[in-house]
Amino acid sequence: GAVVSQHPSRVICKSGTSVKIECRSLDFQATTMFWYRQFPKQSLMLMATSNEGSKATYEQGVEKDKFLINHASLTLSTLTVTSAHPEDSSFYICSARDMALGGNTEAFFGQGTRLTVV
Amino acid sequence: EDQVTQSPEALRLQEGESSSLNCSYTVSGLRGLFWYRQDPGKGPEFLFTLYSAGEEKEKERLKATLTKKESFLHITAPKPEDSATYLCAVQGTYKYIFGTGTRLKVLA
Repeated sequence: GAVVSQHPSRVICKSGTSVKIECRSLDFQATTMFWYRQFPKQSLMLMATSNEGSKATYEQGVEKDKFLINHASLTLSTLTVTSAHPEDSSFYICSARDMALGGNTEAFFGQGTRLTVV
Repeated sequence: EDQVTQSPEALRLQEGESSSLNCSYTVSGLRGLFWYRQDPGKGPEFLFTLYSAGEEKEKERLKATLTKKESFLHITAPKPEDSATYLCAVQGTYKYIFGTGTRLKVLA
């Protein structure tokens, strides 16, 4: 299957600083990527849909100024957690679909990023 | 409202003890149902896609089936390495809706 690479896998940052997470589709082009947040023993919560060359679409309740998304190319989307606070500590996961195969195909996920804000 | 419910929440099996995981869904215009496996601290790993009622997919000890209201993930003679959280997702209009998963533990 297609490969989605997410980096870093773990990051610890101080309160008030910003953290950038990268998501790359390695062997296909992804016009759309998705960012999720997952709390322990809970399911994936969609935060935003990242569209190449345009603004991201955020889900209700997600602060767009806090979670900045940039999708500058067909293979890279970034999520920046700005002015991080301890409550932002979580597991963040990106996913992408190979749109060349159609819009109803499976999504492939990155390895996830464990963010800890101290 | 589109919704996905998985049961049981957690399941403990002895090695070799077959069982089934359930994914019930309500969605307007199902475009696909997906099964994923997630290990602790990792992103979900794709297993199967099902598109229409009656469809079945198999991979090693796993078999996924689909009806108009639910999907089952059958695990035959599981091994300890099958221990993981199994997630079900449906695609409605354009985005995935995930269930909360079934945490499977297979004991040697």
